[in-house]
Amino acid sequence: NAGVTQTPKFQVLKTGQSMTLQCAQDMNHNSMYWYRQDPGMGLRLIYYSASEGTTDKGEVPNGYNVSRLNKREFSLRLESAAPSQTSVYFCASSPNRANTGELFFGEGSRLTVL
Amino acid sequence: GQQLNQSPQSMFIQEGEDVSMNCTSSSIFNTWLWYKQDPGEGPVLLIALYKAGELTSNGRLTAQFGITRKDSFLNISASIPSDVGIYFCAGQNYGGSQGNLIFGKGTKLSVKP
Repeated sequence: NAGVTQTPKFQVLKTGQSMTLQCAQDMNHNSMYWYRQDPGMGLRLIYYSASEGTTDKGEVPNGYNVSRLNKREFSLRLESAAPSQTSVYFCASSPNRANTGELFFGEGSRLTVL
Repeated sequence: GQQLNQSPQSMFIQEGEDVSMNCTSSSIFNTWLWYKQDPGEGPVLLIALYKAGELTSNGRLTAQFGITRKDSFLNISASIPSDVGIYFCAGQNYGGSQGNLIFGKGTKLSVKP
């Protein structure tokens, strides 16, 4: 059972470069999310997609774009990476039951921007 | 915006000791959840609480939804080395989308064998 799969697991970028983090879930969940985790800051929501075809901004959306490609896949794009975007990024999905707060996370993608 | 105050920030305990951590907010939540993150992994849901006053156990873990709906605590009894990790509380309100789930900053637990 794969659950939530993120790629790549590690990435080093130079300032100004672009990249896309990929996420796929095989649990038939409607909702998907992108969080970033920084030391001492906990988990902060970047963007989420309540269902296929919709996306909404979270707490820290600046510098990011997302695409809900289909029900399974939700990608996060950095158009022009900045050192402040060095972080661990987590994709998550949630079951079809509304408002339960139950999230299933991937293993994370560790991004360093030089 | 809404914030959760989670304490303590870190704990160093001996194997076999009990652990207690809590989360408070100035806002009311209708759902409280506790997640655990093992080193190098994503968080995993431990316990979900949906009713004020609710006390729920999961093995050696016990969590309670505060009666004021502004706080929650998590207890771990007889700690073992695999309890090491970061524990996050999270709160959510009715009517909001899943995007309204607010996380605390975490309690980092270290266990000395």
